[in-house]
Amino acid sequence: EPEVTQTPSHQVTQMGQEVILRCVPISNHLYFYWYRQILGQKVEFLVSFYNNEISEKSEIFDDQFSVERPDGSNFTLKIRSTKLEDSAMYFCASRELSETQYFGPGTRLLVL
Amino acid sequence: EDQVTQSPEALRLQEGESSSLNCSYTVSGLRGLFWYRQDPGKGPEFLFTLYSAGEEKEKERLKATLTKKESFLHITAPKPEDSATYLCAVQAATIKAAGNKLTFGGGTRVLVKP
Repeated sequence: EPEVTQTPSHQVTQMGQEVILRCVPISNHLYFYWYRQILGQKVEFLVSFYNNEISEKSEIFDDQFSVERPDGSNFTLKIRSTKLEDSAMYFCASRELSETQYFGPGTRLLVL
Repeated sequence: EDQVTQSPEALRLQEGESSSLNCSYTVSGLRGLFWYRQDPGKGPEFLFTLYSAGEEKEKERLKATLTKKESFLHITAPKPEDSATYLCAVQAATIKAAGNKLTFGGGTRVLVKP
């Protein structure tokens, strides 16, 4: 069964450093998303991406964040200068034409 | 602003003891309501999509129902492997189909004891 995959599973970084989180969506999916979940809190929407551009973004997704689909398979989330409060689980999701979003296993980001 | 509230926050059940989880929502036009299961340290795993009031979906011991203001996830005769956090999320009807973000509730942590 096709799955969304994410790398790395864990990332530890120093405050102020740049991180890139990678996702491989399900191959025939067209719509891509990033969400995050701070420990003990709700899953929160960050950004949606379709046809090589951002469709929608939340207030959390400020200038420190960017997304890219550098090739036909990968979808990346970059945080330019990490802050302590960026520590969270980051989930990638994708969907085809139906509304159901399928989530990856997540990347646990810890900013020290 | 779309809002989703789930109750209870936590539920402890004996194996075989059926129960229901509640998801109350307010949304500016519902495109879909989604139930996911989340195990510790893992990503949400899709269970059901409901689109309109009166709709019901079933999968093994789980059954999801939808009204105009809330959804229920019924767990019938649960087993220990049903222990997980169950997440409810809504998607608002928008003109732009390409967005369609999900707004999640806080989840219900279910523990089923043998």
